[in-house]
Formats: sequence, structure tokens, C-alpha cells
Amino acid sequence: GDSVTQMEGPVTLSEEAFLTINCTYTATGYPSLFWYVQYPGEGLQLLLKATKADDKGSNKGFEATYRKETTSFHLEKGSVQVSDSAVYFCALSLSGGYNKLIFGAGTRLAVHP
Amino acid sequence: GAGVSQSPSNKVTEKGKDVELRCDPISGHTALYWYRQRLGQGLEFLIYFQGNSAPDKSGLPSDRFSAERTGESVSTLTIQRTQQEDSAVYLCASRRTGDGSYEQYFGPGTRLTVT
Repeated sequence: GDSVTQMEGPVTLSEEAFLTINCTYTATGYPSLFWYVQYPGEGLQLLLKATKADDKGSNKGFEATYRKETTSFHLEKGSVQVSDSAVYFCALSLSGGYNKLIFGAGTRLAVHP
Repeated sequence: GAGVSQSPSNKVTEKGKDVELRCDPISGHTALYWYRQRLGQGLEFLIYFQGNSAPDKSGLPSDRFSAERTGESVSTLTIQRTQQEDSAVYLCASRRTGDGSYEQYFGPGTRLTVT
């Protein structure tokens, strides 16, 4: 069935380090891909999305490129900040993003000064 | 404006009891979703309401789980005869429709503990 696999955390980085969180998916058809973020004590919120192959989603310095050939949607940021500490979830949706989301297990990121 | 709200924020119940969880979506959002997040795991889809269409119940794990939605407003998720494996955070999300918007807006969740 359709699924999302993320790298296990926690990921611990120093401030200004480069971040990569790997995400791969299995899906029938052509999914839309998403990264959601959950900051401590807050609800889940959309970070970025890509709806077709080779699209790049970006927001708040984070980027992810929809790679159909490798079925991947890795999250990257060039220089992380302490305020980026959160849990990051990769997700997919069939039906153009309107239907249910299928989530990965989440990756906890801790950034230290 | 107001976001998605859920109540209660925490619920502790004894095994075998029934529980009701409530979700108030963002006003005007016609699509509403329920998800479950077990400890250390990703979110699992439970059920999806879209306007007057029949709900997508494909994620409900057993017939002990049911959900209702009144028009385009409040939704309640009911779990009957709770079991310890039902312990999780239950999240509700809503989405604006009609303008091609993908984003689901999530509530803070209800943490359910079955003892």
C-alpha cells in the first residue's frame, strides 16, 4: 500500500549546521508530497509542499524537491537555528492533495546553540 | 482568526468505557479529517468528511470507532468499549475547499489514556 518512510531521529545539530531529513515514499499513481512541522507545544502545521515531479517546495529557508525517479522528498536547510527544533513529518496525498494524508513516523530535530 | 479547536485536551478513561472527542473546525472549512497518533508513530488517518458527501471511513480501525459531523460544523469521534491500544493523541484537521487549497489545518489534539 501507499506509505512514507522517514529517517529515524532524533537529529541533533549545532546552530548554523546543514540539515537533511530523508523521506521516501511508495504510492500508486502520482501523489502530492508535503512536509509538516510540529513545534513544541503547538499543533501540526504545513511547512511546504510539491504537487508534481521536479517541483521544489520552499518555506522559511527549508526546501524539498519532488524526485519521482528516486521516489524521494528530502527536506533540507542550509543553516539551522535553535528555533527550528521541532518534529518534522513527511506526508503524501493521492487525489491531488485533497484527500487523506499518509504520514511518516516523524523525525525529531534538536538544534543546540 | 480562530483555529481548529478540540476538546477535551486530555482524557483518562477506564478500559471498557465509551468516550466522545469533539472537534470544532475553522469556520467555512467544509472538509474535516480525524487522525490518530500513537506514541512514537506517525499520524494514521481515521475518517474524512466533505460537505454532504458520504464520509470516507476507510481508516477506522474497528466498529468500536464512529464519527459524526453536523453539517459543516462540529464533529464528534466516539470510541466505544475503549481498549488500552486506543491510547493515543487524536487530531482533527479542517480544510477550505473550492479554491484548490491543499492545506489541512490541525487542532491541538486530544490525548486519550485508557487505563
